[in-house]
Amino acid sequence: EPEVTQTPSHQVTQMGQEVILRCVPISNHLYFYWYRQILGQKVEFLVSFYNNEISEKSEIFDDQFSVERPDGSNFTLKIRSTKLEDSAMYFCATTGQAVNYGYTFGSGTRLTVV
Amino acid sequence: GQQVMQIPQYQHVQEGEDFTTYCNSSTTLSNIQWYKQRPGGHPVFLIQLVKSGEVKKQKRLTFQFGEAKKNSSLHITATQTTDVGTYFCAGPAVLFSGTYKYIFGTGTRLKVLA
Repeated sequence: EPEVTQTPSHQVTQMGQEVILRCVPISNHLYFYWYRQILGQKVEFLVSFYNNEISEKSEIFDDQFSVERPDGSNFTLKIRSTKLEDSAMYFCATTGQAVNYGYTFGSGTRLTVV
Repeated sequence: GQQVMQIPQYQHVQEGEDFTTYCNSSTTLSNIQWYKQRPGGHPVFLIQLVKSGEVKKQKRLTFQFGEAKKNSSLHITATQTTDVGTYFCAGPAVLFSGTYKYIFGTGTRLKVLA
């Protein structure tokens, strides 16, 4: 079964440092998302990406966050200057259609900001 | 904004007992999805319901979509230890681009005692 691949699985970074989280979507999927889950809490929407541009971003997705699909395969989430409160599990999710299709989630990147 | 709430937040059951989680949306939904997240894992798509009053079954799991399409339930018959995890419902929100994002519910964490 096709998978969404995320790297790294765990990232520890100093506060103020930049991090890049990577996702390789399923090849024929067109809609890409980043979600965040703080330990034990719900899955929160960060940003959606379609046709090489952001469709929508949440309040969490401030100027410190950016996404891009630099080479047509990888889908990346960059946090320019990490804060302690950015510590969470970050999930990439993709789907083949806008609606009526379930998301396929990657296994996530656990980001720890110290 | 659109909110999706679930109750209960936690449920501990003895193996073999039944379990039900309820999902309520602040708005009418065109469809609803259910996901399961094992401890330490990522959300995995289980099913989607579209029609008012729809009931779908997957082995011991029964999913129902309310008549008003604002609520849903997941019932597990005779729980097993493999059912342990957090169950999320998710409802779509239309984006300005015409695409969608799914808003995840608060989740119900199920623990099954052997």
